[in-house]
Amino acid sequence: ETGVTQSPTHLIKTRGQQVTLRCSSQSGHNTVSWYQQALGQGPQFIFQYYREEENGRGNFPPRFSGLQFPNYSSELNVNALELDDSALYLCASSSRGLGSPLHFGNGTRLTVT
Amino acid sequence: ILNVEQSPQSLHVQEGDSTNFTCSFPSSNFYALHWYRWETAKSPEALFVMTLNGDEKKKGRISATLNTKEGYSYLYIKGSQPEDSATYLCAPTGGNFNKFYFGSGTKLNVKP
Repeated sequence: ETGVTQSPTHLIKTRGQQVTLRCSSQSGHNTVSWYQQALGQGPQFIFQYYREEENGRGNFPPRFSGLQFPNYSSELNVNALELDDSALYLCASSSRGLGSPLHFGNGTRLTVT
Repeated sequence: ILNVEQSPQSLHVQEGDSTNFTCSFPSSNFYALHWYRWETAKSPEALFVMTLNGDEKKKGRISATLNTKEGYSYLYIKGSQPEDSATYLCAPTGGNFNKFYFGSGTKLNVKP
């Protein structure tokens, strides 16, 4: 069973730039969620994708967008980067359903300077 | 948005001590609660998924209880070991079950 993999592991960008983070979901999982974890806080829900469609969104501006592909892998895109976007970005895949636990990747550490 | 509170923020115990932490959440619109363990340099790992009031789950020395009427869950670790050192996160879902609202976690440090 292949776990959730994220790339890159670390990234440094300049304010105003755009970034794309990638995630390969665990085999057999059709749902992908993205979370942002700022220092000292718990992971904050950004959005979830199911069958290539956004299926729920947290309190994040439209410059945070995503995609899910037919193989259930996913991308998180952030435009017009701000300093506050510096955080650990976690991808989690799961099966559809209330009781399905999230399977997380190791995250991408984004630093915006 | 659910307001999820975890306490304490951090805990330092000696090997062999038993310990417990609390997760508090709004009791209305509850669907399920997840507990995760997050070790340094690793990814969060699911411990328990709890849905029913009065649920009790156990995995080795770790157990959890759930009270949906008053909006809290307890996580217990019996006889803590250094390998239990991690941040423990709870995440209830409410309303839209696709959204998990994580607390800030309890960071446990077990000294040998």
